[in-house]
Amino acid sequence: GAVVSQHPSWVICKSGTSVKIECRSLDFQATTMFWYRQFPKQSLMLMATSNEGSKATYEQGVEKDKFLINHASLTLSTLTVTSAHPEDSSFYICSAKSDSSYEQYFGPGTRLTVT
Amino acid sequence: QKEVEQNSGPLSVPEGAIASLNCTYSDRGSQSFFWYRQYSGKSPELIMFIYSNGDKEDGRFTAQLNKASQYVSLLIRDSQPSDSATYLCAVMGRDSNYQLIWGAGTKLIIKP
Repeated sequence: GAVVSQHPSWVICKSGTSVKIECRSLDFQATTMFWYRQFPKQSLMLMATSNEGSKATYEQGVEKDKFLINHASLTLSTLTVTSAHPEDSSFYICSAKSDSSYEQYFGPGTRLTVT
Repeated sequence: QKEVEQNSGPLSVPEGAIASLNCTYSDRGSQSFFWYRQYSGKSPELIMFIYSNGDKEDGRFTAQLNKASQYVSLLIRDSQPSDSATYLCAVMGRDSNYQLIWGAGTKLIIKP
């Protein structure tokens, strides 16, 4: 149980374009989802927390107009990186938790490269 | 500022021995504690969680929690080369909207 998928697993895009990453909980209802970013050899950095049906809460320093998060259903959250730049290249990982437990389960991550 | 501290390592352990990973946290109100394993280039995988003082065992893994000392550890018995990874300690406090405070991780190397 507790499987989270992400799509795509990797993506290359040109500078100035937008990229959408999907995060799905496959066998449980995810009332809360989290989006992280991880640069090489660094720890996870929380970008935002989203609760189903509500606006996401962004961490300090994360531009909400650049990183659009939608958590429209109990099994799907999306992160859209708008007007991507090379410095946005990173490993983006989502995690999800159900209402009945505290554990976060991670998706496999999406590696974004902006050229 | 709430912090979670881990020794970055690398911690080198011979195959078959016990690996001991440690983590301290600053927020005394923290209530839930998690150990994740992360292989290079992959996302974190939940290994253990512990909410109460004492030990919790799951197979070769034992999590230990001491809230008075604000200390949580992970023991890996009969270490295998496949246990080589970075181990992340994460702590959830009260009134945190379920957000986790992450340690920087300890790199564990199991030598055959």
